[in-house]
Amino acid sequence: GEDVEQSLFLSVREGDSSVINCTYTDSSSTYLYWYKQEPGAGLQLLTYIFSNMDMKQDQRLTVLLNKKDKHLSLRIADTQTGDSAIYFCAASYNNNDMRFGAGTRLTVKP
Amino acid sequence: NAGVTQTPKFRVLKTGQSMTLLCAQDMNHEYMYWYRQDPGMGLRLIHYSVGEGTTAKGEVPDGYNVSRLKKQNFLLGLESAAPSQTSVYFCASSLSDYGELFFGEGSRLTVL
Repeated sequence: GEDVEQSLFLSVREGDSSVINCTYTDSSSTYLYWYKQEPGAGLQLLTYIFSNMDMKQDQRLTVLLNKKDKHLSLRIADTQTGDSAIYFCAASYNNNDMRFGAGTRLTVKP
Repeated sequence: NAGVTQTPKFRVLKTGQSMTLLCAQDMNHEYMYWYRQDPGMGLRLIHYSVGEGTTAKGEVPDGYNVSRLKKQNFLLGLESAAPSQTSVYFCASSLSDYGELFFGEGSRLTVL
């Protein structure tokens, strides 16, 4: 299977919470990232977590890491239409071996 | 701030033609990368560079060559384009070998 897997689509209503899930296979991954890609643009770093952390919160974003299960999630509270984008999970020991998931397309309906 | 700039943004090639994609960064980053993005797949690393004058192979290097003659520029070349190289190509840079990658806007290449 792929090194990093995530579901391809998620649709939510404006104001609801969005949860995007990701699993990875390489237990040596030290850094776990969430990147956001808006239409016609490159990827932008949204948030990241070190492998020795369980959770990281940054305003509306909450990242949860279950290292035992190699499972990462991104929760977006109070999702807005401006959050519609593709969200990529990535895992790496260093940038030269970073593995990206296929991306989850988040659609926020008014 | 320009950040990472890629040219051209769109290109259509015929099989067997050659071309070069240019990536330029103005952040004085040591590390630069070329990725390709295909539908239903994550970004895959083609080649990377850890500094001026250095290059190294990534996950999918076949059919591509790169050069880093100047610190701010990283060129990706296709000597004989194939339809399988139809993709969106992203350049990225980083200050060190870990941490945030800064991406360009992408270059969409179609090989007929």
